[in-house]
Amino acid sequence: SQTIHQWPATLVQPVGSPLSLECTVEGTSNPNLYWYRQAAGRGLQLLFYSVGIGQISSEVPQNLSASRPQDRQFILSSKKLLLSDSGFYLCAWSVHGSYRDNSPLHFGNGTRLTVT
Amino acid sequence: AQTVTQSQPEMSVQEAETVTLSCTYDTSESDYYLFWYKQPPSRQMILVIRQEAYKQQNATENRFSVNFQKAAKSFSLKISDSQLGDAAMYFCAYRSLSEKLVFGKGMKLTVNP
Repeated sequence: SQTIHQWPATLVQPVGSPLSLECTVEGTSNPNLYWYRQAAGRGLQLLFYSVGIGQISSEVPQNLSASRPQDRQFILSSKKLLLSDSGFYLCAWSVHGSYRDNSPLHFGNGTRLTVT
Repeated sequence: AQTVTQSQPEMSVQEAETVTLSCTYDTSESDYYLFWYKQPPSRQMILVIRQEAYKQQNATENRFSVNFQKAAKSFSLKISDSQLGDAAMYFCAYRSLSEKLVFGKGMKLTVNP
């Protein structure tokens, strides 16, 4: 069966420090991978998604970046965190789509990031 | 760009009654998929129901059903016989054929005993 691992579960970082959140998927190959951010009182904001190694689509042109160094690994990074980066970060995967694929997203347990 | 709108930030329903959550979306695509996800206090995201845009028949999953109006770009969720465990944040989502999946801002559902 497929599983998704996301870590760390919680993180407290000072403003200006770097960030690295990691997500890995097991039990499947060539998944679509996603990073979302959920700020307090707001919905799920799509940050990045990837349909394959080296293919990253950015939805948010801020100080965050994403990389996919391996097929089932997705990393969210920042060189310098801002206060506004605080939030709940969710990694997710789905089956790489055929034309008629309606597979849902499978989410990790999330990372609560507090920037102080 | 595709957008998803959930205009009601909060709703409440009495246990055993029926409630309808609204969702509208904007797209220029003709083929896509729509989803409703539930997020309980544990913050885990749970798929409730899905709908293919090319299917005219509304999806149903036990007590959950949708009213999909493609021309109006409307995708509402009906919860019948509401239970206390249905209390959660509910998110409407749109998935394009490019694999991009966009969520609405969510709606908090309270179930009163």
